[in-house]
Amino acid sequence: GDSVTQMEGPVTLSEEAFLTINCTYTATGYPSLFWYVQYPGEGLQLLLKATKADDKGSNKGFEATYRKETTSFHLEKGSVQVSDSAVYFCALRSKFQGAQKLVFGQGTRLTINP
Amino acid sequence: DAMVIQNPRYQVTQFGKPVTLSCSQTLNHNVMYWYQQKSSQAPKLLFHYYDKDFNNEADTPDNFQSRRPNTSFCFLDIRSPGLGDAAMYLCATSNPGSTDTQYFGPGTRLTVL
Repeated sequence: GDSVTQMEGPVTLSEEAFLTINCTYTATGYPSLFWYVQYPGEGLQLLLKATKADDKGSNKGFEATYRKETTSFHLEKGSVQVSDSAVYFCALRSKFQGAQKLVFGQGTRLTINP
Repeated sequence: DAMVIQNPRYQVTQFGKPVTLSCSQTLNHNVMYWYQQKSSQAPKLLFHYYDKDFNNEADTPDNFQSRRPNTSFCFLDIRSPGLGDAAMYLCATSNPGSTDTQYFGPGTRLTVL
């Protein structure tokens, strides 16, 4: 079945450091890919998405490119801030499933120190 | 602003005492979902409604039920909560006609004493 694998956390960085959170997927066909962010005690917020190969999603300085050849959707940010501390989930939605199911990775906890 | 609203944000119940969690949306989306998220884990889909059609996940316990009286509201009923049901419960919506993005509410954190 479809699955998503994220780099294990927790990840701790200093403010203004470069961030990469790796995400790879296994799916039938060409799924849509998402990054969601969850701040402490809150629900999930959509951070960015890409619906086809080579699409780049971007938001709030974060970027991720849909790479079909490597089945990856790595999240990057050039200069992180303390306010970026949160849990990040990579997810896919298969276009060939009857139900609109999101398959999530296990989440990566990010802590940014001042 | 259009949004997904969950009430209450925090719910405490006793072991075995039925509890109902509420979700409402102003997005007019066709599909509403309920997820369970335990500490440090990814959300796990319990079930979803596509309009009035209920779709249960195969591994969702019978203890969990849902109602959707109209487009805007969806309820999660836990008939006899156990200690293992303590979790964050997330409601989400989507509109398959235009986008495949799911929009999440802030969640209800359930404590079972």
